[in-house]
Amino acid sequence: AQSVAQPEDQVNVAEGNPLTVKCTYSVSGNPYLFWYVQYPNRGLQFLLKYITGDNLVKGSYGFEAEFNKSQTSFHLKKPSALVSDSALYFCAVPQGAYTDKLIFGTGTRLQVFP
Amino acid sequence: DAGVIQSPRHEVTEMGQEVTLRCKPISGHDYLFWYRQTMMRGLELLIYFNNNVPIDDSGMPEDRFSAKMPNASFSTLKIQPSEPRDSAVYFCASTKYTEAFFGQGTRLTVV
Repeated sequence: AQSVAQPEDQVNVAEGNPLTVKCTYSVSGNPYLFWYVQYPNRGLQFLLKYITGDNLVKGSYGFEAEFNKSQTSFHLKKPSALVSDSALYFCAVPQGAYTDKLIFGTGTRLQVFP
Repeated sequence: DAGVIQSPRHEVTEMGQEVTLRCKPISGHDYLFWYRQTMMRGLELLIYFNNNVPIDDSGMPEDRFSAKMPNASFSTLKIQPSEPRDSAVYFCASTKYTEAFFGQGTRLTVV
């Protein structure tokens, strides 16, 4: 079964420092992988996705994610964190090849301190 | 497009009352999902539809919950009777080619 895991409930980082939010995956076949962000009192918003090709995927708000097949990871990164990046981040994978149903991770709360 | 529209944004009701949450998906999207989010349980998928047909309702907590999608532009999630443990934020999302667009959610409080 397709699944993703987010090993950290919370990540704390100082503004201006690089940030990493971790995600590992377990899928059969070629993985499609997603990151979503949830700001307070809002629904989830799409950040970026990996389908195939370049292992470094660029997304919204200056975020990028690195697909690593050998480590089965898809970590979200940003070179310089902003206080406004503080939010809940979810990685996700489709349940199968012929469905739009996404399996979400448990979420990681990112706190960026001034 | 205005995105996925949910109503109401907030709902406070008394235990035992019927609650109906509404969702208008993005035009042209094939899938519609209902989620519930709480601090304790995180994000839970309740039910989803493909082309207005319910595909998987295994996440619906019990018979008090029901969902319908009478046409491609409207869906409802009904709770009858409501209980305090149903208090949560309920999200609707629609997708096309896997990318999901979420509504702003309905914050339900059952007292």
